[in-house]
Amino acid sequence: DAGVTQSPTHLIKTRGQQVTLRCSPKSGHDTVSWYQQALGQGPQFIFQYYEEEERQRGNFPDRFSGHQFPNYSSELNVNALLLGDSALYLCASSLAWVAGGAETQYFGPGTRLLVL
Amino acid sequence: AQSVTQPDIHITVSEGASLELRCNYSYGATPYLFWYVQSPGQGLQLLLKYFSGDTLVQGIKGFEAEFKRSQSSFNLRKPSVHWSDAAEYFCAVGARGGSQGNLIFGKGTKLSVKP
Repeated sequence: DAGVTQSPTHLIKTRGQQVTLRCSPKSGHDTVSWYQQALGQGPQFIFQYYEEEERQRGNFPDRFSGHQFPNYSSELNVNALLLGDSALYLCASSLAWVAGGAETQYFGPGTRLLVL
Repeated sequence: AQSVTQPDIHITVSEGASLELRCNYSYGATPYLFWYVQSPGQGLQLLLKYFSGDTLVQGIKGFEAEFKRSQSSFNLRKPSVHWSDAAEYFCAVGARGGSQGNLIFGKGTKLSVKP
């Protein structure tokens, strides 16, 4: 059973550029969440996608956008990159609705983005 | 505001010694509680979770955690640490009911293990 996969593993961009990160959820999962983990910090929630719509959003600017495809995979797009966007971007998948609301998120290995 | 505090940034223990990592949370109600572990350059692996019922939960790799409502704590423990346990540990809380996209994480505790 494949877990959550992300691509690419590493990426180097320059300020002002745009980047797209990709995530395939764990088999059977229908919900994808994205997190940003800056160096030395815990992950911070960016947004969550379910049924191809953004369902929840954290405190991130509109430069961060996403998409979910019919096969539940997802993309995270960041426009006008800033130095501060350098971080590990983690994707997590889960089932949206579980009896008792007790679903668990499973994380991928992440994409490390460096903005120069 | 909802928050998670992990008071210890870095802990060093000897192999075979016991371990306790602290986690305190601030939340409007009883949240769902999680501990994740992250090895260098890796994603997060779920160690254990508390949703309801017995306040002492068992996880993988011999870890356990105890939910104490009165202290708003969810400390992680292991009776005997192995060198392979060296990693960073994150405590997280999630909302009850419905989708839990917005997990709130602490800043993590880095565990080093002395031979």
